[in-house]
Amino acid sequence: GESVGLHLPTLSVQEGDNSIINCAYSNSASDYFIWYKQESGKGPQFIIDIRSNMDKRQGQRVTVLLNKTVKHLSLQIAATQPGDSAVYFCAEKRTGNTPLVFGKGTRLSVIA
Amino acid sequence: DTEVTQTPKHLVMGMTNKKSLKCEQHMGHRAMYWYKQKAKKPPELMFVYSYEKLSINESVPSRFSPECPNSSLLNLHLHALQPEDSALYLCASSQSTGSSYEQYFGPGTRLTVT
Repeated sequence: GESVGLHLPTLSVQEGDNSIINCAYSNSASDYFIWYKQESGKGPQFIIDIRSNMDKRQGQRVTVLLNKTVKHLSLQIAATQPGDSAVYFCAEKRTGNTPLVFGKGTRLSVIA
Repeated sequence: DTEVTQTPKHLVMGMTNKKSLKCEQHMGHRAMYWYKQKAKKPPELMFVYSYEKLSINESVPSRFSPECPNSSLLNLHLHALQPEDSALYLCASSQSTGSSYEQYFGPGTRLTVT
């Protein structure tokens, strides 16, 4: 059988509070950064992306912040709901016809 | 229609079996991807097809054999797998490999090798 897997960083948040999920990246040549949400038993679902020439982008209840100086990306979820419980992955796309590179993931647990 | 479908949802196979995973999209996307995902890990890229031609093979063992019969379909043929190949296999598509930042994923096939 499979050995015990790598511990996934977990963020526990009270329902109604804001959540901040962080991601560090390493490649300065990345031109897009994307956040995916993966619920149990499902494939990753696109949430929001941001181009490297931007530092902030807002969607519905979500905001992505990009700090290129320290190579840091964050996802903010406003008024977190139980349906937001999932694993969140950041991904980067490097310049050209290149595939996505995924970060390690963070599990968000919402406490009702 | 922004859906990528995958069949079967679950698959249990022995190490001597031959089976295939199927993926379909009708978004007119010309790039399709296979990923392998182990528990608590991010998706790991296996293959990329661009305009029905294999463009990336991430050093995947030959017991996994991809096939792209047309622009809407992607198959993954499995033969002589090992128990460590048990994982969630995800298919994804995007308009092109240049727009891989906008990938749509299917629900995956949960594969168990006994």
